[in-house]
Amino acid sequence: AQKITQTQPGMFVQEKEAVTLDCTYDTSDPSYGLFWYKQPSSGEMIFLIYQGSYDQQNATEGRYSLNFQKARKSANLVISASQLGDSAMYFCAMREGLGGATNKLIFGTGTLLAVQP
Amino acid sequence: ETGVTQSPTHLIKTRGQQVTLRCSSQSGHNTVSWYQQALGQGPQFIFQYYREEENGRGNFPPRFSGLQFPNYSSELNVNALELDDSALYLCASSSVAGAIGELFFGEGSRLTVL
Repeated sequence: AQKITQTQPGMFVQEKEAVTLDCTYDTSDPSYGLFWYKQPSSGEMIFLIYQGSYDQQNATEGRYSLNFQKARKSANLVISASQLGDSAMYFCAMREGLGGATNKLIFGTGTLLAVQP
Repeated sequence: ETGVTQSPTHLIKTRGQQVTLRCSSQSGHNTVSWYQQALGQGPQFIFQYYREEENGRGNFPPRFSGLQFPNYSSELNVNALELDDSALYLCASSSVAGAIGELFFGEGSRLTVL
């Protein structure tokens, strides 16, 4: 069964430093997509970055990069040069299939990131 | 381009009542999915609507039902409310069913069942 595991309930990071948020996944489907979302206290889920299972290079979006290690089934999010506005919950999610009929995402339990000045 | 909007933002109901939550999808998006997020948990997929038809459902009982309208807006209906239905309900839209890339989420409707 497909599953997302985020083992860090909470993380602290100093402003301007880099931080890595861990995510491991489990699936038997060779085709899948991995997502990271940010959820501030307002509740809205904000898309950060996407990695497809057949993508050869790690995804990057501005200060966000995804460290994709397929053999280890991990998809860690790296945030460089942390800012105070990065303080939020971060969720890793997976969708089986690269196209498919549904937008069913399986989410992890999240990591609460606190950026300290 | 307007984003995903949900209403109401907060509501309180009692056990056994019925509730309807509404979602307006982002302009140009024809697929809407609904998620339930209990406190301290990640969101769980309820179901998805594409061209006014339900085309995917998670592990939720039939008292969770929905509709999609010709303008692609959507409703989530929950009958016979239970205490465990207390959660943040998130609506997400996308442009093509199953398209790679981001789902655009609304800010959610926070339901409290007493």
